[in-house]
Amino acid sequence: GENVEQHPSTLSVQEGDSAVIKCTYSDSASNYFPWYKQELGKRPQLIIDIRSNVGEKKDQRIAVTLNKTAKHFSLHITETQPEDSAVYFCAALFSGNTGKLIFGQGTTLQVKP
Amino acid sequence: DVKVTQSSRYLVKRTGEKVFLECVQDMDHENMFWYRQDPGLGLRLIYFSYDVKMKEKGDIPEGYSVSREKKERFSLILESASTNQTSMYLCASSLRSAFRQGFYNEQFFGPGTRLTVL
Repeated sequence: GENVEQHPSTLSVQEGDSAVIKCTYSDSASNYFPWYKQELGKRPQLIIDIRSNVGEKKDQRIAVTLNKTAKHFSLHITETQPEDSAVYFCAALFSGNTGKLIFGQGTTLQVKP
Repeated sequence: DVKVTQSSRYLVKRTGEKVFLECVQDMDHENMFWYRQDPGLGLRLIYFSYDVKMKEKGDIPEGYSVSREKKERFSLILESASTNQTSMYLCASSLRSAFRQGFYNEQFFGPGTRLTVL
C-alpha cells in the first residue's frame, strides 16, 4: 500500500554542520515530494518541494534530491543554525488522489550551538 | 495570506463524550484534511474532503466521522471519545491538485487542537 518511511527519527548536529534526512516511498507513480518543517508549538509549513522531472532542487541552505529509480528522496541542510531545530516531515503525493499526501514519521533535528 | 483556524487549541473531554473539532479556511480551497499527530508516527490522515459534502477515508478513519456542509468549514467528529484518541489534531487545506496535469498545491495547516480524553 501507500507508504513513506523516514530516517532518522532524531538527529543532533553541531551548529555549522550539515544534516541529511532520508525518505523512501512505495508508489513508483508518485511524482511530487514536499518537505514540511514544524517548529515547537507551531504548525507545519512547507519549506521545499520537488517534482519527479527534477533530480535536485536548492533554496539557499536547503536542498532536496530525488532518485526515482531507487524511490527515495533526501533533505540536505548545510551550515545548520539553531533556528533549524524543528521536526521535519517528508511526504509523497500518491497517484489516483487529488492532493492527498502520505507523510513520513518525522525527524526531530536538534542543532546545538 | 492563507488562514486556517481551528476552534480550540486545547480540549479536555471524558470517555464516551461526543466531540466536535472545527476547522475554517478563508482562501476558498477545495481540499480540506484532518490529520492526527502522535510522536514517532508522523502525520496520519483521518479523512479528507475535496468538495462540499464529499469525503474520503484516510488511513485511520475508525472512530471518527466528518462533515463538510460549507466549502470553508470541515468538522471532525468523535462520536464516543476514547482515551486512545488523546492526540494533537491538525486541519489543513489546499487548492485542488491536478495530479495528471502536474499541478500541485501546498497544504496549509491550522494551529492544531490538543485533545485529551480522560
